[in-house]
Amino acid sequence: KNQVEQSPQSLIILEGKNCTLQCNYTVSPFSNLRWYKQDTGRGPVSLTIMTFSENTKSNGRYTATLDADTKQSSLHITASQLSDSASYICVVSPLGGKLIFGQGTELSVKP
Amino acid sequence: NAGVTQTPKFQVLKTGQSMTLQCAQDMNHEYMSWYRQDPGMGLRLIHYSVGAGITDQGEVPNGYNVSRSTTEDFPLRLLSAAPSQTSVYFCASSNVPPGQGVRDTQYFGPGTRLTVL
Repeated sequence: KNQVEQSPQSLIILEGKNCTLQCNYTVSPFSNLRWYKQDTGRGPVSLTIMTFSENTKSNGRYTATLDADTKQSSLHITASQLSDSASYICVVSPLGGKLIFGQGTELSVKP
Repeated sequence: NAGVTQTPKFQVLKTGQSMTLQCAQDMNHEYMSWYRQDPGMGLRLIHYSVGAGITDQGEVPNGYNVSRSTTEDFPLRLLSAAPSQTSVYFCASSNVPPGQGVRDTQYFGPGTRLTVL
C-alpha cells in the first residue's frame, strides 16, 4: 500500500536554531516528492519539488533532500524564524497516480 | 490574481442539512480538486475535475457531489450532512494533473472549516 509517514509529529525549537523533518514513503513507482508549508488557517503552499534524479533542492533557508534508494526525504530549516511556525507536509506522487499526503509535522518556533 | 478562493470560511450545520462549499480560481487551470483534512491524517481527495463538464471520484467521495459547469468554478455539495463530515475542506487547482508536473504546482485555497452537530 502506498503510504507516506512523517516524523516527528510535532517539534518545538528556539528561534535561530536549525531543525530537520523526516519523510519516509513506500510509494511505487515514484514520480516526484514535494514539501508543503501550511500556516495555521491557510492552505498548503509548495516549498520544493524533487524528481527521482534530484538529491537536494533549496528554497531560501529550506533545503530538501531525497534518497530514492531508501525512500526517505528530509526538510532542513536553517536559522529558524518565528514565521517558520507551521505544519510541514510531505507529498509523494506515484507515476500516473494521485498525490499521497503525509500527516504533517507541526513545527513551533519559540522566541 | 486572487488565486483560489473559497467560501464560506466557517460553517456550522445540523445533521441532515445540505449545503454547498464554493470554490473559484482565476488562473484558467483545467484541473481542480477537493480535499478534506482531518487531525492526524494527510489530506484526502474527495472529488476532482480535469476540465469543464468532467469530474471523477477520489478516495473519499461518499456523501459529496460535485459539478464543473465552467473552468473557474468547482462547487462541492454535501447532500445530507453527518458528524463524520466535520473537517476542513480545501479546494486546489493546477494546470497539469496534480503531482505529474515538476515545474508546476497545485495551488490551494484558504479552506472552509465545517462543523456538523
